[in-house]
Amino acid sequence: EAGVAQSPRYKIIEKRQSVAFWCNPISGHATLYWYQQILGQGPKLLIQFQNNGVVDDSQLPKDRFSAERLKGVDSTLKIQPAKLEDSAVYLCASSLEGRSGYTFGSGTRLTVV
Amino acid sequence: GNSVTQMEGPVTLSEEAFLTINCTYTATGYPSLFWYVQYPGEGLQLLLKATKADDKGSNKGFEATYRKETTSFHLEKGSVQVSDSAVYFCALSEGAGNNRKLIWGLGTSLAVNP
Repeated sequence: EAGVAQSPRYKIIEKRQSVAFWCNPISGHATLYWYQQILGQGPKLLIQFQNNGVVDDSQLPKDRFSAERLKGVDSTLKIQPAKLEDSAVYLCASSLEGRSGYTFGSGTRLTVV
Repeated sequence: GNSVTQMEGPVTLSEEAFLTINCTYTATGYPSLFWYVQYPGEGLQLLLKATKADDKGSNKGFEATYRKETTSFHLEKGSVQVSDSAVYFCALSEGAGNNRKLIWGLGTSLAVNP
């Protein structure tokens, strides 16, 4: 089966600019996750979708981050405006059923300068 | 709340050495347990998993056994290779139904020298 697709692979922006990331999960996976992974740390869950509804966005900085999953398939994560501390790898994952594990995309490495 | 604790890295081994990366957890109920691997510059890949007590997950020569009595899920490999150099994350799955999510350890970096 095709994996989780993410784009772009790399992005460099200046602080206060906007950026958007895209994720296409594995076909049929109802649950989609966005994680932020800062260098040297474990992943931090930003938002979890079940189909097109939000299940958990408690750690999403809602003053600057937004995410949507229209039609319950692919998803976009946006940062506006970006800060230096947003420099990280943004990982998208999907799962069919949580006990079986999650499949991750290759991530988008964001550098804010 | 639920948590995962991994041994601190970095771990440096010579090729063909025996590897153990310790992982212990705190959880209510019976979570599923996972090991993920992250190779340099890449995303996370599921290495192995176990869904109930005494289950042994295995893949690519790596093994881990779900020990409920010691709340542990230690990762082992009998003979490491240079290509095993990566960061290894232990994780547990908590919650039920649509609220299921992963709790992560901080990761353990492994460097294998030829």
